[in-house]
Amino acid sequence: QVTLRESGPALVKPTQTLTLTCTFSGFSLSTSEMCVSWIRQPPGKALEWLALIDWDDDKYYSTSLKTRLTISKDTSKNQVVLTMTNMDPVDTATYYCARVYSSTWYDAFDIWGQGTMVTVSS
Amino acid sequence: SSELTQDPAVSVALGQTVRITCQGDSLRSYNASWYQQKPGQDPVLVVYGENNRPSGIPDRFSGSSSGNRASLTITGAQAEDEADYYCNSRDSSGNHYVFGTGTKVTVL
Repeated sequence: QVTLRESGPALVKPTQTLTLTCTFSGFSLSTSEMCVSWIRQPPGKALEWLALIDWDDDKYYSTSLKTRLTISKDTSKNQVVLTMTNMDPVDTATYYCARVYSSTWYDAFDIWGQGTMVTVSS
Repeated sequence: SSELTQDPAVSVALGQTVRITCQGDSLRSYNASWYQQKPGQDPVLVVYGENNRPSGIPDRFSGSSSGNRASLTITGAQAEDEADYYCNSRDSSGNHYVFGTGTKVTVL
């Protein structure tokens, strides 16, 4: 059974750096075509893709947030970490991690974590 | 282009068919996937690739594409299909992903 779970602070202050950890089980991020991605959703708004790391340690970032994001993996711990610098109240959202199967023919965010709500406020 | 545009809301009578569309230049090169999100719940993959459904997704959900447009069709909509639906694909560079603006489906 594949599961993913997000963890991190529920509240951060403006200008602080947010660090989120995605701990997963049931698959290996060393397996070809396997990836983990971060997505966020502000309250009442649409999903927004943030970043993705693949089995080969290639990293991809949202163009609009690229300067603030860093994604990394620890394959031995089955964890993927996302850091976002210079947090602002507009970054208040539920942050999800998801497994992504990425092949030549399709991409599928097939398993999602339950999400973690992050509020940015002083 | 890095945008995927969806109609904000559609409604369908119980048991009827509804088509949800997603439009963007990148869809000419990349397949879309579709996600269902019920109120207060996490997104769930319902269709991916040309027209594939994960295990457990009813066959009333199907996908198609033509040109710069992808569609999710619910044939015989049920009350439990009332949800927000999002498309996803790569952008034109192929190095980034983007979610659509979302469509709220109401089953009457």
